[in-house]
This record gives sequence, C-alpha cells and structure tokens, in this order.
Amino acid sequence: DAGVTQSPTHLIKTRGQQVTLRCSPKSGHDTVSWYQQALGQGPQFIFQYYEEEERQRGNFPDRFSGHQYPNYSSELNVNALLLGDSALYLCASSLVAAANYGYTFGSGTRLTVV
Amino acid sequence: QQQVKQSPQSLIVQKGGISIINCAYENTAFDYFPWYQQFPGKGPALLIAIRPDVSEKKEGRFTISFNKSAKQFSLHIMDSQPGDSATYFCAASMLGGFKTIFGAGTRLFVKA
Repeated sequence: DAGVTQSPTHLIKTRGQQVTLRCSPKSGHDTVSWYQQALGQGPQFIFQYYEEEERQRGNFPDRFSGHQYPNYSSELNVNALLLGDSALYLCASSLVAAANYGYTFGSGTRLTVV
Repeated sequence: QQQVKQSPQSLIVQKGGISIINCAYENTAFDYFPWYQQFPGKGPALLIAIRPDVSEKKEGRFTISFNKSAKQFSLHIMDSQPGDSATYFCAASMLGGFKTIFGAGTRLFVKA
C-alpha cells in the first residue's frame, strides 16, 4: 500500500522564480493538506484541498496557491519566490470523514531559494 | 489562542530511561491531540493520539497523559531506546476543523 508520494525530493530555485510541487495521497485518502516546515520548527498549515476545492487556508500570502485533481493528487504552486520560502514542504493526506484522525505525511520536498 | 507550546526543546535520556515531553494549549475548542515522530529526511509519522474525554492512553511503550483542566498533555516514552532518537511534535485540532496546529518540536536523543 503506497503511502504519500511527493516530488521532487529536492529543488533549488532563484529568488523571483515560480515553483510547482506535487503530491499523490495515500490510497483511499481523498483530502490533501500542505504544510511548510522551516528548519527546526513545527509544520505550519498552508491549505487543505477536498473535492478539488480549497477548504481552508493558513496565514500564507496569495503567492501560495494549489490545485487538486479528480484523482485526488495535488499541486502546490509558489510564485515570486523569496529567500524565506526556503523550507521543507510537506503533503499530508487523510480521509475527509476522519479529519480528526491524523494525517499520513509524505517525506516532503526540500526547497532552497537562492 | 491557536498555539500549542511544547517543552523541552531538546532532551537527552539514557537507554532504558523515561522520556517526557510536555505540551500546553489555550483553545478549549481543540478536541484531538496527536503526537508525531519525525526522523531526519522524513515526514512526521502519527505515533499516538488522544481525545479530551480520557485522561490517559497507552500504546506499547508510548503513553499520553491528558489534563483537561490544566490544558496540558504529555508524551511518556518508557524504556527509551536509541531507535527512539527523533524529533517529536505535539499537535491539536478541532472537531470539524481542517488544520492541525503543531508545537515547535522536541529533539530527543537516547544514549546507548
């Protein structure tokens, strides 16, 4: 049973560029949440997608956007990259009916902005 | 209101000892309190979770103690092993909510 798959694993981008990160949820899960984890910090909620719509957004600017496809996979897009966007980006999947039953996380995409 | 405060920031325990990590919250609307374990280069993995209608939950060597009146909960790792060396995050979420609030993490090192 495949868990959450994220790609790429590592990425280096230049300030001002745009980046797209991808996530395939665990089999049977239909909800995808994205988190940003700065070095030495806990994950911070970016947004959650269910039924191809954004259900809730954390305290992140509009430069952060996302998408969910009919097969439940998801993308995180970040425009106009800043040095401060350097972080580990985590995708987590869950069952919408079990939103309070914990996530399954992927291993993340390490984004470095130079 | 939305924060979960976690302590200590780091912890060193001898093999076979008890590791204790504490968390506190303010928002009484939180009703689900998971703990996640994260190894370097990996995403967090759900370890154990509790709801506020019970005061303790045990799964193997891992126990959550929950004090609703004090708005505090803690993770106890009994018979700590070197393989338990990782970063541990407490977290909280609300019934019907869509996001989970994480603590800042505790780096645990178990000395052999």
